[in-house]
Amino acid sequence: GAGVSQSPRYKVAKRGQDVALRCDPISGHVSLFWYQQALGQGPEFLTYFQNEAQLDKSGLPSDRFFAERPEGSVSTLKIQRTQQEDSAVYLCASSLAPTGSGNTIYFGEGSWLTVV
Amino acid sequence: GQNIDQPTEMTATEGAIVQINCTYQTSGFNGLFWYQQHAGEAPTFLSYNVLDGLEEKGRFSSFLSRSKGYSYLLLKELQMKDSASYLCAVSSGSNDYKLSFGAGTTVTVRA
Repeated sequence: GAGVSQSPRYKVAKRGQDVALRCDPISGHVSLFWYQQALGQGPEFLTYFQNEAQLDKSGLPSDRFFAERPEGSVSTLKIQRTQQEDSAVYLCASSLAPTGSGNTIYFGEGSWLTVV
Repeated sequence: GQNIDQPTEMTATEGAIVQINCTYQTSGFNGLFWYQQHAGEAPTFLSYNVLDGLEEKGRFSSFLSRSKGYSYLLLKELQMKDSASYLCAVSSGSNDYKLSFGAGTTVTVRA
């Protein structure tokens, strides 16, 4: 596709439910990022992939969060046993080059998660 | 960690100029980005500064002073469609792929 595509766009989950958020990066982009954006805040880094390798997962809030990119293209962010504080927009981004510095990072429109 | 500060809100009139300031404190500096984000939409790239000085791109310009830990985004000839949140983001340290964002400045353009 022309841009980064995310699904679902909106998800309402009951507390304790597992959710999976999908990201289709721009074709050919090596780098893929997940960010979490709370209401009224800037995005916070969660994790970084270079192709299929997860090189940095230091931003994942807890072991309930898991991300994968098994074939180096599509990525899934999974949240187990969701809690109310997980409510946020989850942004996926990709860039052409292996590192982000100076390279344009393209964001998707995000998956809006509300945990009730 | 990084400390990135920018004003919460700004209001300006259509056709005017607005300057959004961003100050940062980081350990190591790789570059500074500005993104525009309309409500409910993806952040879109506006500018990137790694050296001191002014980068001009149409109606938008971005300035960087590394010694002062300071940047600004200048929006000229404001249009209604410029009403959005503007995010300042810094790449720093050995992990240059990781961006640290400010909370964003909501700009409202009035007729």
